[in-house]
Amino acid sequence: GAGVSQTPSNKVTEKGKYVELRCDPISGHTALYWYRQSLGQGPEFLIYFQGTGAADDSGLPNDRFFAVRPEGSVSTLKIQRTERGDSAVYLCASSPRAGQGTEAFFGQGTRLTVV
Amino acid sequence: AQSVAQPEDQVNVAEGNPLTVKCTYSVSGNPYLFWYVQYPNRGLQFLLKYITGDNLVKGSYGFEAEFNKSQTSFHLKKPSALVSDSALYFCAVRDISYNFNKFYFGSGTKLNVKP
Repeated sequence: GAGVSQTPSNKVTEKGKYVELRCDPISGHTALYWYRQSLGQGPEFLIYFQGTGAADDSGLPNDRFFAVRPEGSVSTLKIQRTERGDSAVYLCASSPRAGQGTEAFFGQGTRLTVV
Repeated sequence: AQSVAQPEDQVNVAEGNPLTVKCTYSVSGNPYLFWYVQYPNRGLQFLLKYITGDNLVKGSYGFEAEFNKSQTSFHLKKPSALVSDSALYFCAVRDISYNFNKFYFGSGTKLNVKP
């Protein structure tokens, strides 16, 4: 079956521009996560959705970052007024439910480069 | 505070030899522990997890890990390394007593298996 799909795989944008990153989770998965991975570091938590609602957005670095999941499936991470420091790989993951012992299934990531 | 430490940035091992990738963790409550592997330009792939029960857990591709509560460790092991095991390995923890929405990841260990 299809895994977690993220588009685009690569995105180059100019400083100050707006970008949207899309995540299509595994069908039927209710939990969805966004993580950010900078070079040489482990993934850092951004936001977690259970269904349509953002259950935990404590990892969003500032108000330039926003994410939605309007129908409880596809999610979009939105970054306004991009800065060079936003350059990273943005990873999306999903899991069947929010159970504590459930592993998350990751997409291949979107590599964002802000020039 | 919740955290994961992977003390080795890189581990080198000869093909056919046993390998160990180290991980220690810090949580407020009880941990759920995970290992993921990342190949170049790919997302994270789940290897194995410890939830409860037997401290030795077995996962994909012949990998296993041992949970040691007294040492707060969850080292990844494999009896006989393959060149194809060369990749970046991440340890992750969920604190089931505090905000289990999040996976906390270590900084990663690059495994190099030489022919």
